[in-house]
Amino acid sequence: KAGVTQTPRYLIKTRGQQVTLSCSPISGHRSVSWYQQTPGQGLQFLFEYFSETQRNKGNFPGRFSGRQFSNSRSEMNVSTLELGDSALYLCASSPWDRVTDTQYFGPGTRLTVL
Amino acid sequence: GIQVEQSPPDLILQEGANSTLRCNFSDSVNNLQWFHQNPWGQLINLFYIPSGTKQNGRLSATTVATERYSLLYISSSQTTDSGVYFCAVGGLRWTSGSRLTFGEGTQLTVNP
Repeated sequence: KAGVTQTPRYLIKTRGQQVTLSCSPISGHRSVSWYQQTPGQGLQFLFEYFSETQRNKGNFPGRFSGRQFSNSRSEMNVSTLELGDSALYLCASSPWDRVTDTQYFGPGTRLTVL
Repeated sequence: GIQVEQSPPDLILQEGANSTLRCNFSDSVNNLQWFHQNPWGQLINLFYIPSGTKQNGRLSATTVATERYSLLYISSSQTTDSGVYFCAVGGLRWTSGSRLTFGEGTQLTVNP
C-alpha cells in the first residue's frame, strides 16, 4: 500500500495570507490527524477527522481549520498567517479498527511565513 | 491531559554501543508508539507497543503499562541510528480518538 502523502512539501507565504495543506491517508484508513512541529513547542496535536467529522481538536486558535472528504482525504487551512505559524505540519492516518490504533505519518509540509 | 516525559534529552554514543531510551507517562494509555524522525522530518514507525515487549532487529521495546513507562533499546548502534526518537501516547479510544501526545524526544548521535 502507498503511504500517507502530503502536498505541497514546501511552502513559503507572507503574513496575512492563507494556506491550504492536503493529506491523503493510507487506503482504507478512516482517521486523519494533523500535528504541528516547531522547535519551541515540539509536536502538538491540531485536530482529528473521522468519517468527515472532526472528532478531536487541540488547543489552537480558530484560524486553524480542517475538513475531511468522503474518500478520507483531508485538508487543513490556516488563515491570516502569522510568523509563528512557520512549522512542519504532519498528517497521520490510522485504520481505527478493533486491532490497532497505530498512526502512520506522512512526510510533512514545511511552511515558512515571511 | 496526559503528560509524557522522555529521558535522556541527548545521548552521544560510539558506533557499536548499546543504549536505552525511557518514556514515562502520567495516565493509563491505549496506544504507545515509538518513532524515529529522519533528517527530512518524517516520523518513521518503530513500534506500536501499548504493553509487552517487541523486537525488530537491533531494536526492541518494552512497555510496563501498570507502572506507566516504556523503554526503547538500541543494540550495536550504527551512525544511521542518529536522529530524534519520540515516544507518543494515546488515551482511551472513546474519549481521545486517535490523538497522540508526544514527548520532547531524545536526540541520539552515534559517532563512527
